[in-house]
Amino acid sequence: DAKTTQPNSMESNEEEPVHLPCNHSTISGTDYIHWYRQLPSQGPEYVIHGLTSNVNNRMASLAIAEDRKSSTLILHRATLRDAAVYYCILRDNTGTASKLTFGTGTRLQVTL
Amino acid sequence: NAGVMQNPRHLVRRRGQEARLRCSPMKGHSHVYWYRQLPEEGLKFMVYLQKENIIDESGMPKERFSAEFPKEGPSILRIQQVVRGDSAAYFCASSPPLAGSRPGANVLTFGAGSRLTVL
Repeated sequence: DAKTTQPNSMESNEEEPVHLPCNHSTISGTDYIHWYRQLPSQGPEYVIHGLTSNVNNRMASLAIAEDRKSSTLILHRATLRDAAVYYCILRDNTGTASKLTFGTGTRLQVTL
Repeated sequence: NAGVMQNPRHLVRRRGQEARLRCSPMKGHSHVYWYRQLPEEGLKFMVYLQKENIIDESGMPKERFSAEFPKEGPSILRIQQVVRGDSAAYFCASSPPLAGSRPGANVLTFGAGSRLTVL
């Protein structure tokens, strides 16, 4: 899987929007962009994924740059429960399904 | 619809003993993945299995570790002759069969993990 780059940490105030960036300049045309998060002492949790168009679900929105070399995960109103490590992962669409490779992610702190 | 079930949630072993970690995938999921997370570190892929087949074991240590996913029953991660360095959280994930022509859209569901402590 191609490599992604994320900031090590970010902070947000509760009730405010959070924009978590991810750079993936070597993305191939067939790679999907996935986001997972890991809350403290829990297993990773799927958040959202997309290919080319922006995506929305009940948890978050995913904004994908037109050239697909970067993307942004948007939490519209951060809560204390959103404090977690967020991982941006590229998933190859060719061949058979394969492992997810987790990087170091972005540790999001949410404060009152 | 139960999620991915892992047991035991906590396991304590003495050096030299064996540890067996079990993972029951979500209903309808035929792919299982095992990951290890050492204290204060990231998630490292270990092995990817389908029923009765190991597809990718590139992350498995060469010795003492083995995994299986039999036709019936849960997937098992087995660690023989445990050492203190094996103390970690072991996460299992499962996914459904490939979504037609979009394997890249395949989503993993993770269990809560099994925390192994080696004394």
